[in-house]
Amino acid sequence: EAGVAQSPRYKIIEKRQSVAFWCNPISGHATLYWYQQILGQGPKLLIQFQNNGVVDDSQLPKDRFSAERLKGVDSTLKIQPAKLEDSAVYLCASSTWTGGDEQYFGPGTRLTVT
Amino acid sequence: AQKVTQAQTEISVVEKEDVTLDCVYETRDTTYYLFWYKQPPSGELVFLIRRNSFDEQNEISGRYSWNFQKSTSSFNFTITASQVVDSAVYFCALSEGDYGGSQGNLIFGKGTKLSVKP
Repeated sequence: EAGVAQSPRYKIIEKRQSVAFWCNPISGHATLYWYQQILGQGPKLLIQFQNNGVVDDSQLPKDRFSAERLKGVDSTLKIQPAKLEDSAVYLCASSTWTGGDEQYFGPGTRLTVT
Repeated sequence: AQKVTQAQTEISVVEKEDVTLDCVYETRDTTYYLFWYKQPPSGELVFLIRRNSFDEQNEISGRYSWNFQKSTSSFNFTITASQVVDSAVYFCALSEGDYGGSQGNLIFGKGTKLSVKP
């Protein structure tokens, strides 16, 4: 079974530029999560989708971050414009359902904003 | 509010030593789930175990064992006879289990970096 796929793996941009990350979850997984992991910290949820609907985006900085999951399968996360503090690893995870199921993580995208 | 505390920032042991990673959690929910994930230097989070709040049985999987104690809100992880390949950052995490609202998202601790030296 294929795991969670993410691209790109690395991205370097200048502040005020825009960037987009892509995630393809495990086949059949209804729930998709985007997490932000700053160096030395645990991942923090940005947004959670159930199929193509948003379940929780309370910690998403909506003035600059946006995410979509068209057709309830793959998803994109966008940052526009980027700030220095957005430098982090962006992790995508998926699970079969929401309440307490284990989440499977992709390899992440390491973003550096200069 | 939900919170996970991993007080040990870094631990260094010599191969074959036993090591315990501590995890203390806070939640007001009666139904919740606890997890441990491993993050090796490659960066990908690897699922190790899930335990629900109604199951306090300890679990053993090979060299790994977990001790869940609701009375002290702890979910500790022990590696027996550690190996160099165990070197990684280990995260404890908590999620709500009740339906309705935003459930399922993981609240992570800050992680414990384990270094196993040969």
